[in-house]
Amino acid sequence: KAGVTQTPRYLIKTRGQQVTLSCSPISGHRSVSWYQQTPGQGLQFLFEYFSETQRNKGNFPGRFSGRQFSNSRSEMNVSTLELGDSALYLCASSAQGNSNQPQHFGDGTRLSIL
Amino acid sequence: AQTVTQSQPEMSVQEAETVTLSCTYDTSENNYYLFWYKQPPSRQMILVIRQEAYKQQNATENRFSVNFQKAAKSFSLKISDSQLGDTAMYFCAFMKPDEAGNNRKLIWGLGTSLAVNP
Repeated sequence: KAGVTQTPRYLIKTRGQQVTLSCSPISGHRSVSWYQQTPGQGLQFLFEYFSETQRNKGNFPGRFSGRQFSNSRSEMNVSTLELGDSALYLCASSAQGNSNQPQHFGDGTRLSIL
Repeated sequence: AQTVTQSQPEMSVQEAETVTLSCTYDTSENNYYLFWYKQPPSRQMILVIRQEAYKQQNATENRFSVNFQKAAKSFSLKISDSQLGDTAMYFCAFMKPDEAGNNRKLIWGLGTSLAVNP
């Protein structure tokens, strides 16, 4: 069974641009969560999608948005990029998003803002 | 608000020895989950062990075990017979499910970088 796939693996953008990151969960998984990882702040929860609906949201500005498609694939979009958005963005999936089920993580997308 | 604290930014251990990583958390909740995740240089976050707060028995997974002290809000990870492949960042995380039992956000500590030396 293929794991969680995140694309692209690396991305370089400049301030003011926008970016879209993609996450394909494990087949059959319906819950997808996104996290931002930086050296200073550690891992911070962005949002969780389940059955195409945003079910939970972290404390990030509206520039950060996401969506989930009917095949459970999820995208995350960041608009008007700032230098502080440079981070590793991790996606995790679980079958039903139930607390009895572990989250499986992808390898992340390393976003660098110049 | 819940917080998770890992007081040891870096640790090292000799191969085959035992090491304990510390984690404390702050919450007023009674029902929650605690996790230890491992992130090797390959970047993929891997679940090491999980503990339900309502279970008094400490979780174990092969060489990995926890010492869960609910009253003290402490959740340490013990790695026995350390192996070179255990070298990684280790993160402690907290989660309180919602009323339906669904996942809520994971709240993470800043991590402990563990080096296993030959």
